Amino acid sequence: AQSVTQLDSHVSVSEGTPVLLRCNYSSSYSPSLFWYVQHPNKGLQLLLKYTSAATLVKGINGFEAEFKKSETSFHLTKPSAHMSDAAEYFCVVSGGYGGATNKLIFGTGTLLAVQP
Amino acid sequence: GAGVSQSPSNKVTEKGKDVELRCDPISGHTALYWYRQSLGQGLEFLIYFQGNSAPDKSGLPSDRFSAERTGGSVSTLTIQRTQQEDSAVYLCASSGAGLVGDTQYFGPGTRLTVL
Repeated sequence: AQSVTQLDSHVSVSEGTPVLLRCNYSSSYSPSLFWYVQHPNKGLQLLLKYTSAATLVKGINGFEAEFKKSETSFHLTKPSAHMSDAAEYFCVVSGGYGGATNKLIFGTGTLLAVQP
Repeated sequence: GAGVSQSPSNKVTEKGKDVELRCDPISGHTALYWYRQSLGQGLEFLIYFQGNSAPDKSGLPSDRFSAERTGGSVSTLTIQRTQQEDSAVYLCASSGAGLVGDTQYFGPGTRLTVL
């Protein structure tokens, strides 16, 4: 079965400093992995996804993530945080393979705070 | 183009009443998903539709929960005899074909409060 673990429930950074949100996954086969962001009282928005192509994935708003099979990790990074990045971030793995359902399995979320 | 829409945006009901939540997916998307977001359980999968059929209902928490999809488009999630633990944000998502790795596009959700 697939699962994801987000290692930090809260992360606080200063504006202009790097962001690192950590995620480890467990999967019986090569997974599809996603990062979604949820701003307060807003819907979930896809930041980026990995589907077995390039291991370094670039997303929107300057975010990127690197798939590391040896470490079973898919950490999200951004070189310089902006106030507008304050939100909750979810690491997600696709639950299905080979024709099975593509239901998403969500991590518990990391709340990112950006200090001025 | 229009994204996924859900209605109502908020619903307050009394314990024991039935509620219906509606989802309009992105036009042309054959796959539709319902999820629930609650403080205690986080984000969890409820049910998946491919066209009008539901090959995966494994996430429905009890037989009080049901869903249908008609015309390969609109879906309705029905909760009968609501309980306080049903209070949550119900999210709908759609994707093109439901293949593994397909991006799911989420609606804004329906916030359900059961008094």
